[in-house]
Amino acid sequence: GQQLNQSPQSMFIQEGEDVSMNCTSSSIFNTWLWYKQDPGEGPVLLIALYKAGELTSNGRLTAQFGITRKDSFLNISASIPSDVGIYFCAGQLGPPGANSKLTFGKGITLSVRP
Amino acid sequence: SQTIHQWPATLVQPVGSPLSLECTVEGTSNPNLYWYRQAAGRGLQLLFYSVGIGQISSEVPQNLSASRPQDRQFILSSKKLLLSDSGFYLCAWDRGSGQPQHFGDGTRLSIL
Repeated sequence: GQQLNQSPQSMFIQEGEDVSMNCTSSSIFNTWLWYKQDPGEGPVLLIALYKAGELTSNGRLTAQFGITRKDSFLNISASIPSDVGIYFCAGQLGPPGANSKLTFGKGITLSVRP
Repeated sequence: SQTIHQWPATLVQPVGSPLSLECTVEGTSNPNLYWYRQAAGRGLQLLFYSVGIGQISSEVPQNLSASRPQDRQFILSSKKLLLSDSGFYLCAWDRGSGQPQHFGDGTRLSIL
């Protein structure tokens, strides 16, 4: 089946540093999504990407949809303590029906040292 | 705007007891609905999804079942809980038109 690979499992950075996270797949997706999950809460959508090569920003976050449609990356610039959390990538083939299901990576736990 | 509600937020149940977790979505119609389980420190496992009332697809064999009695209501149930059913259960919805899924705040289920 489809799998998304996120590594490393954990990242430790200093406040103010930039950080980049990659997500790769053995198969193509037509939509890439990045979510952040705080402890004890549900994941919150950060950025959605719908077109190969698309580069989208949301404040200090930037994400890109890989040209091959098999990868995506998320950059966080000038990290702050509230960036701490688990970052998940997810891929979607697209509607209808079963193709709306998301395939998730296992997540990267980000720690930010003040 | 659309909102999604899950309850209860936390639940402690004995082994062998029944379970009913509820999820409702407001502000939209005919959403796709999803139930996920997240084990501690791990990723999201899709359990069930539904594209309409009474339509349920199961992703993994398990001790749980799901029902969708109304358009914006999704229920996760079990007749007899197992220790392995412990986890963080998340409900999610999307518009079914290529738009992203949005998650509820989850239910932390502990089985004793």
